[in-house]
Amino acid sequence: DTGVSQDPRHKITKRGQNVTFRCDPISEHNRLYWYRQTLGQGPEFLTYFQNEAQLEKSRLLSDRFSAERPKGSFSTLEIQRTEQGDSAMYLCASSIIRDGLFFGSGTQLSVL
Amino acid sequence: AQSVTQPDIHITVSEGASLELRCNYSYGATPYLFWYVQSPGQGLQLLLKYFSGDTLVQGIKGFEAEFKRSQSSFNLRKPSVHWSDAAEYFCAVGNSGGGADGLTFGKGTHLIIQP
Repeated sequence: DTGVSQDPRHKITKRGQNVTFRCDPISEHNRLYWYRQTLGQGPEFLTYFQNEAQLEKSRLLSDRFSAERPKGSFSTLEIQRTEQGDSAMYLCASSIIRDGLFFGSGTQLSVL
Repeated sequence: AQSVTQPDIHITVSEGASLELRCNYSYGATPYLFWYVQSPGQGLQLLLKYFSGDTLVQGIKGFEAEFKRSQSSFNLRKPSVHWSDAAEYFCAVGNSGGGADGLTFGKGTHLIIQP
């Protein structure tokens, strides 16, 4: 198993453009999480899936953000009409119950 | 609401010296506690976790942590640090229901190793 995989590693976009990130979790993990991390801060929870169901969304997740996990496998996080404040590292993690979260290397988003 | 405090933003330690990173949590029930390490531009790697049982837990890379309920603390220790330990360290707390709403992280402690 190769761990949690995220693509792309880096994304530079202009304000107002849409971006989409992909996460491939560890294959036997049924739980998948998205976090956002800004410089000098710890990761902040965005949303959580159990299999294909999105069970929890943070207030941080504005209506410009949408996440999907079709068929309970990979997940995508889309940000529409990006703003400079969206610049951050977007981290994906997966887990099975009582095992802790296993993180990918993240996607670094820069909005110009 | 659960929260985590890491009082030290930066810590500098000489190579070969011992290390203790502090973590205090606030949680209404029995917490699940974690320590993660993050190198620049990378994701987080799980060092160790506490769910129940023995309050002294061993992790990877020679790290250990001790859960003290009376002090609401979960401090990370290592008897002798190596230059490769320089990184950002995050303490996190999760709910005992198994993480349905993920983990709450502290703001991190940046560890600097002096030669």
